[in-house]
Amino acid sequence: SQQGEEDPQALSIQEGENATMNCSYKTSINNLQWYRQNSGRGLVHLILIRSNEREKHSGRLRVTLDTSKKSSSLLITASRAADTASYFCATPNTGGFKTIFGAGTRLFVKA
Amino acid sequence: DVKVTQSSRYLVKRTGEKVFLECVQDMDHENMFWYRQDPGLGLRLIYFSYDVKMKEKGDIPEGYSVSREKKERFSLILESASTNQTSMYLCASSARLWPGGGKGELFFGEGSRLTVL
Repeated sequence: SQQGEEDPQALSIQEGENATMNCSYKTSINNLQWYRQNSGRGLVHLILIRSNEREKHSGRLRVTLDTSKKSSSLLITASRAADTASYFCATPNTGGFKTIFGAGTRLFVKA
Repeated sequence: DVKVTQSSRYLVKRTGEKVFLECVQDMDHENMFWYRQDPGLGLRLIYFSYDVKMKEKGDIPEGYSVSREKKERFSLILESASTNQTSMYLCASSARLWPGGGKGELFFGEGSRLTVL
């Protein structure tokens, strides 16, 4: 079963708006990661947040983690058409071998 | 730039054929993985390997086997392809958590889209 579940499943916004995607997970984690996938391509690692961190920034990306609620959010500020992609949260197990991916949020940014 | 290379972007095979999907990474990573991705089902782990000649079953190993004879190469084998194995196959690698210094982040190839007729 999928550990991470993203919400919403799909999101359509105008260029320049902010996009927020949420992820919930079930078990305890060491870290949580976000990946991006352009249509028909492989996944690209965006950002990792450790379990003892609450917030992390990378360029236009902001990730928050609430371990008490077992949830994380990814915020993309000032979105661009090139941000159109699917975004996945992922949680590695303790050994790091079984990374569980959510079903993803499909983001469409209209120019 | 670090790279995971999958041998074929698109393949079309017939039912019953033996299919080889090759993956090579140039990052000296210890761990390598094969996932399949299907609409509505997300990414599912087929097999992984944490060292040369080592392999472990993932969540959906049935109908698949793997080979890791060299550190940089991890092959996925479909012994007798079936139509329900039509999918996007993604290879990934990662550094060992300790003492490799890895954090668990995965580096993916571009994917191999397999169609079995």
